[in-house]
Amino acid sequence: GAVVSQHPSWVICKSGTSVKIECRSLDFQATTMFWYRQFPKQSLMLMATSNEGSKATYEQGVEKDKFLINHASLTLSTLTVTSAHPEDSSFYICSARPSGTGGAETQYFGPGTRLLVL
Amino acid sequence: LAKTTQPISMDSYEGQEVNITCSHNNIATNDYITWYQQFPSQGPRFIIQGYKTKVTNEVASLFIPADRKSSTLSLPRVSLSDTAVYYCLVSISSGSARQLTFGSGTQLTVLP
Repeated sequence: GAVVSQHPSWVICKSGTSVKIECRSLDFQATTMFWYRQFPKQSLMLMATSNEGSKATYEQGVEKDKFLINHASLTLSTLTVTSAHPEDSSFYICSARPSGTGGAETQYFGPGTRLLVL
Repeated sequence: LAKTTQPISMDSYEGQEVNITCSHNNIATNDYITWYQQFPSQGPRFIIQGYKTKVTNEVASLFIPADRKSSTLSLPRVSLSDTAVYYCLVSISSGSARQLTFGSGTQLTVLP
């Protein structure tokens, strides 16, 4: 149980294009999903917290107009990297927290999406 | 904002017990401590979670002292397949705010 999928697993795009990444909780409902970014040899950095039916909360330094997040259902959140540039190349990972877990910060992670912007 | 710190790397031999400590001085009250394992180019995999004292499951134990400013992940009898990066995840208090923060990660290498 507690499986999270991401699509696509990798994407290569030209500079200036937009890329959408989907995150799905397959066997549970998730009121809250998280988006992280991970550069090589570094830890995961939280970008934003996505709450179903409301606006995402972005971490300091993350441009909300560049990284659009939509959490339209209890099993799906999407991250759109708009006007991508080479510096946006990274490993993007989502996680989902099962609804009703209260104070327990149990997040289940997707397999990640490797983005390469040329 | 205080970071969560971990040793950068550790080496061990198969069959040994490995203990990895994470320091989180400004951990938020009432929040849990969670540990994850990550293989290259994969998402983190949940290992164990706890709030205080000791928690044990089929793969690991988690030791948390009373002040909760650190936590230690214990892996009994490691094997080659346990070679991975291990992260702690905590909520750090910053004023009235809480911020989910991953530790810096510990690269564990298990040698034959």
